[in-house]
Amino acid sequence: QVQLVESGGGLVKPGGSLRLSCAASGFTFSDYYMSWVRQAPGKGLEWISYISSSGGSIYYADSVKGRFTISRDTAKKSVYLQMNSLRAEDTAVYYCARGGQYAMRWFDPWGQGTLVIVSS
Amino acid sequence: EIVMTQSPATLSVSPGERATLSCRASQSVSSDLAWYQQKPGQAPRLLLYGASTRDTGIPARFSGSGSGTEFTLTISSLQSEDFAVYYCQQYNYYYTFGQGTKLEIK
Repeated sequence: QVQLVESGGGLVKPGGSLRLSCAASGFTFSDYYMSWVRQAPGKGLEWISYISSSGGSIYYADSVKGRFTISRDTAKKSVYLQMNSLRAEDTAVYYCARGGQYAMRWFDPWGQGTLVIVSS
Repeated sequence: EIVMTQSPATLSVSPGERATLSCRASQSVSSDLAWYQQKPGQAPRLLLYGASTRDTGIPARFSGSGSGTEFTLTISSLQSEDFAVYYCQQYNYYYTFGQGTKLEIK
């Protein structure tokens, strides 16, 4: 079955960096767009980035533009989120989610999430 | 940015009754609207896309309607497993979510 498993979360100081990974299985990874969506504790959902199936199209939300970088590795069937210059407001559960084969529209399925805490 | 507003914030309904959740977009999103269910400690699950198309395996008691700026998610006869938080999401211009409606047992 389709599965997404995130890893790499943890506690980091403000201004620090962290790299999240999302391992995909159960589908042809190279055919699909992928996204990262986050959820601050007790709050709603915020889309932050997507990468196209080829990796040639990448978009970011304004809240993370210039600080976060999304990438993918077809051979490893994984998508990554490099997070730099982290702030307290980046504290959240980070989910990776699959998009469509030709566009990023809805998110399905989602991984279980990985928690990032930015605190001194 | 397209702002999605859900109402009510909390909805109290008895099992077996109908629940109606609303979602409004700040500008037209056509039918580019999805609904998700999230239970405590779990990731969101896609219920509907295209405003009214159920995802694979989603029970028929979940239905969606609307287009443009006004959308509705209806759960026809609430089961115990349906009590959760529901989010709408537009994908007409980038991606934004509503703030969620918590469906609780009355």
